[in-house]
Amino acid sequence: GAVVSQHPSRVICKSGTSVKIECRSLDFQATTMFWYRQFPKQSLMLMATSNEGSKATYEQGVEKDKFLINHASLTLSTLTVTSAHPEDSSFYICSARLSSGVTFGSGTRLTVV
Amino acid sequence: DQQVKQNSPSLSVQEGRISILNCDYTNSMFDYFLWYKKYPAEGPTFLISISSIKDKNEDGRFTVFLNKSAKHLSLHIVPSQPGDSAVYFCAASAGGGGSNYKLTFGKGTLLTVNP
Repeated sequence: GAVVSQHPSRVICKSGTSVKIECRSLDFQATTMFWYRQFPKQSLMLMATSNEGSKATYEQGVEKDKFLINHASLTLSTLTVTSAHPEDSSFYICSARLSSGVTFGSGTRLTVV
Repeated sequence: DQQVKQNSPSLSVQEGRISILNCDYTNSMFDYFLWYKKYPAEGPTFLISISSIKDKNEDGRFTVFLNKSAKHLSLHIVPSQPGDSAVYFCAASAGGGGSNYKLTFGKGTLLTVNP
């Protein structure tokens, strides 16, 4: 089936640095990808929708200058957390839209120290 | 404002018995509902879905029931197996009858099936 490969699975970074998370669609082209964030004991919250070749659409309350999304090809979308702070520590996960639904990456656990 | 609510953070059942996971929603615009299963260190995987024009959808051991008037849905697993132990997420989308995959998730319920 359609697989989305997400890397890294875990990352620890220092406060003030930037971290890039990649999601690659394997064996299929993903024109639309969704980025979610999950804080402990909370639900997955949609951050933004990215469409290949165009600007991402951000949900209310999500800072587009802090969470940079690039979807420059049909198989790769990236989320860069810029100037990370400890409160950005969370579980980030992407999903790619298929004709029959969506398929999720395995997620990235980000810890900012 | 939690639009999709899973009020039970955990559920424990005996192997072979029925597991019932519940989900409530508040947004009357939701017209498509999905259940996902998630193992540790993996992404959620799709389990079963239901459109708002139906009240029941069955797939093998999994059945989802939708009560629109109560804004409530439930996932029944019967018989439950130890391999079903995972976190189950309820999700909903609005508009497009399911073609809009911008999903709103509940917090999840951890199901443990004991041998």
